[in-house]
Amino acid sequence: QVTLRESGPALVKPTQTLTLTCTFSGFSLSTSGMCVSWVRQPPGKALEWLALIDWDDDKYYSTSLKTRLTISKDTSKNQVVLTMTNMDPVDTATYYCARTFNLQNFDYWGQGTLVTVSS
Amino acid sequence: DIQMTQSPSSLSASVGDRVTITCQASQDISNYLNWYQQKPGKAPKLLIYDASNLETGVPSRFSGSGSGTDFTFTISSLQPEDIATYYCQQYDNLLSLTFGGGTKVEIK
Repeated sequence: QVTLRESGPALVKPTQTLTLTCTFSGFSLSTSGMCVSWVRQPPGKALEWLALIDWDDDKYYSTSLKTRLTISKDTSKNQVVLTMTNMDPVDTATYYCARTFNLQNFDYWGQGTLVTVSS
Repeated sequence: DIQMTQSPSSLSASVGDRVTITCQASQDISNYLNWYQQKPGKAPKLLIYDASNLETGVPSRFSGSGSGTDFTFTISSLQPEDIATYYCQQYDNLLSLTFGGGTKVEIK
């Protein structure tokens, strides 16, 4: 059974750095084809892909946000970490992690964590 | 970046109606197109992958078609539990795994 769960602060101040952790089970990120992505969704708006890390530790980022994002993995802990620098109120969103098989589709999702950016 | 234009942005239909949503890519993406359903307050759920393949466990009233730049998602007979927002997503270009803007489906 594949599960993913996001964790991190619910509230961050403008200019701070956000660190989110995705803890997963039911698959291994060392298995060929396995990837984990981060996707966010501002309240009432569409989904936006942010970053992906694959089984080979290759990393891919949204073109518009790549200067602010870092994704990393700890295979032994079954965790993927996303950091986003210089947070702004427009970054207020629900942040999801999702398993991404063969860099193609998001087949399993976490429940999401709402991050509010406010002073 | 590849842009995905989804239409309509919302629709209202009666139970039993056939519902069609379109997604247009800004460049050829072959069949590298997926469809998701998102119910309020929930994470998205993969319904269709590679433009026309039904994910395991998804009811057969859902279907997808298309290739290149033009894609269609269809609910053959709308059910009350299908009330949700539907998103297309392309994966042709790893520099940008783009989602469409979403289509909110409501019951008339």
